[in-house]
Amino acid sequence: GAGVSQSPRYKVAKRGQDVALRCDPISGHVSLFWYQQALGQGPEFLTYFQNEAQLDKSGLPSDRFFAERPEGSVSTLKIQRTQQEDSAVYLCASSERRTANTEAFFGQGTRLTVV
Amino acid sequence: AQSVTQPDIHITVSEGASLELRCNYSYGATPYLFWYVQSPGQGLQLLLKYFSGDTLVQGIKGFEAEFKRSQSSFNLRKPSVHWSDAAEYFCAVGPISSGSARQLTFGSGTQLTVLP
Repeated sequence: GAGVSQSPRYKVAKRGQDVALRCDPISGHVSLFWYQQALGQGPEFLTYFQNEAQLDKSGLPSDRFFAERPEGSVSTLKIQRTQQEDSAVYLCASSERRTANTEAFFGQGTRLTVV
Repeated sequence: AQSVTQPDIHITVSEGASLELRCNYSYGATPYLFWYVQSPGQGLQLLLKYFSGDTLVQGIKGFEAEFKRSQSSFNLRKPSVHWSDAAEYFCAVGPISSGSARQLTFGSGTQLTVLP
């Protein structure tokens, strides 16, 4: 596709509900990243995939957060038993290669509101 | 641990005026440095990046930034602001090692308002 696509754009979940957020990276991009952006803050790193391998998940805030990229393309970020503090915009980014000097392209994000 | 500080939460300038957004970083070595812009409801768009070489880098939309190692700064500048530049601006630092997972550390952002 032309860019990184995320769905849904907006999600309202009741506290305790499970949610799944989808990211379609740019075709052929090897690296995929998830970031969490709380209101009024900069994005914070959650996890990183190189193809289907999850190489870094150090930013995931709790074991309620789980990400996968089974075929090395589409990725899903799952949040179990959502809490109010999970309310944020979840950004996905992809880049062509794993090296640091490769530009990462960001999607528009999914705004999650937990009520 | 690496960190990024953007000391100005909100800046207001008049259209046509010059702009400078401040960014200071803390990092163990020479980092990769980035400036991103985020318009409401939009994802982050890369304005410019610094990896090595010339410390004055040019970006899109007429923006430039200067890396000053002695001051641990990477300030963003534009000589003449346009109304369409109103947005939130994020400075970010990334690891220089190509062997590491490329995770970015972002500042908390500077909201730019442009007055007509």
